[in-house]
Amino acid sequence: AQTIHQWPVAEIKAVGSPLSLGCTIKGKSSPNLYWYWQATGGTLQQLFYSITVGQVESVVQLNLSASRPKDDQFILSTEKLLLSHSGFYLCAWSPLGTSAETLYFGSGTRLTVL
Amino acid sequence: GEQVEQLPSILRVQEGSSASINCSYEDSASNYFPWYKQEPGENPKLIIDIRSNMERKQIQELIVLLDKKAKRFSLHITDTQPGDSAMYFCAASERQGGSAKLIFGEGTKLTVSS
Repeated sequence: AQTIHQWPVAEIKAVGSPLSLGCTIKGKSSPNLYWYWQATGGTLQQLFYSITVGQVESVVQLNLSASRPKDDQFILSTEKLLLSHSGFYLCAWSPLGTSAETLYFGSGTRLTVL
Repeated sequence: GEQVEQLPSILRVQEGSSASINCSYEDSASNYFPWYKQEPGENPKLIIDIRSNMERKQIQELIVLLDKKAKRFSLHITDTQPGDSAMYFCAASERQGGSAKLIFGEGTKLTVSS
């Protein structure tokens, strides 16, 4: 069975500080990987997606970047946090082929920027 | 790009009654429509989905209807229980490169009272 692990579970950071969030998926080779962001009480917005190692596509510009250094790892980062970065960050994966649209979310990281 | 409208934003029902959530989309090329349930502090979990080659799908008390002509789809929860209380998100797929992008509705907060 596939498992997706996100870290950390929660972060409280100062404006202007750097950030790195991670996601690892086990039990699935070459998955599509995604980063989503959710404001408190809000909808889910896709930030990045990756279909293979080293290849990441940006969907919205939020002064964030993403990288896929390994097949099973997806990293979200920024060098300078803004207040607007607060929210719930969700990593997700989807299988290849005809079920490529089905997303399975990790447990998320709750980020508070002060 | 695709846009998804979801109504109502808040829904309160009595235990044992039915609850209905409606979504509409704009892109006639969308062919996959999942529904996610999100409990407070948790990640969204896929509860049911439907593809464009179907008009109706049922899993236990969950029924999804799809009207491709009208570009509308809906979730119906029969015999609601307090455990059904949560945020519900509909989504429609949009192709992007080698993967698909899910566009989510704004969410419906369902409260089932006993």
